[in-house]
Amino acid sequence: GDSVVQTEGQVLPSEGDSLIVNCSYETTQYPSLFWYVQYPGEGPQLHLKAMKANDKGRNKGFEAMYRKETTSFHLEKDSVQESDSAVYFCALSDHGRGSTLGRLYFGRGTQLTVWP
Amino acid sequence: DAGITQSPRHKVTETGTPVTLRCHQTENHRYMYWYRQDPGHGLRLIHYSYGVKDTDKGEVSDGYSVSRSKTEDFLLTLESATSSQTSVYFCAIRQGSGANVLTFGAGSRLTVL
Repeated sequence: GDSVVQTEGQVLPSEGDSLIVNCSYETTQYPSLFWYVQYPGEGPQLHLKAMKANDKGRNKGFEAMYRKETTSFHLEKDSVQESDSAVYFCALSDHGRGSTLGRLYFGRGTQLTVWP
Repeated sequence: DAGITQSPRHKVTETGTPVTLRCHQTENHRYMYWYRQDPGHGLRLIHYSYGVKDTDKGEVSDGYSVSRSKTEDFLLTLESATSSQTSVYFCAIRQGSGANVLTFGAGSRLTVL
């Protein structure tokens, strides 16, 4: 079945460091790929997305490239800030069958804590 | 703001009691979802709905039932709560067409003693 595996646990960079959070996926289809971000006490919210192979999602200095050949969608940023601290989820959406919309499958989440 | 309201936001209950969580939306979206979030497991789909009285199971549906008698309300029921159902529950709606982008509510924290 469809699944997502991402860097687990905590990532603890200092402000100004570069960042890569790994995400790999498995599916028999051609999914859409997403990164969601969750701040304390809130629900997850869409951070960026890529709809097809070779698309690049971008938001607030973060980027992720949809790489079909390596089935990956790594989240990258050149210089993290303290305000980037949050939990990040990688997710994929299949496209469903018939009238049933595709479902969203999430990774287990990565806690990003940026030190000032 | 997608107009999603979850209630209650916090609940403590005892094992064996029934619990109903409510998700209310104000924008007439067709698709609604219930997820649970647990440390080390991320977000897992419990049930979802693709219209009034049209629901389907997700990956962790055992012990849960849902109902959708009106477009705006999607109810999640635990018929007999167990400690393993202690979790944070999120309702989500799908906005618009095209990409399967979900908008989540603020969550309902349930503790089963």
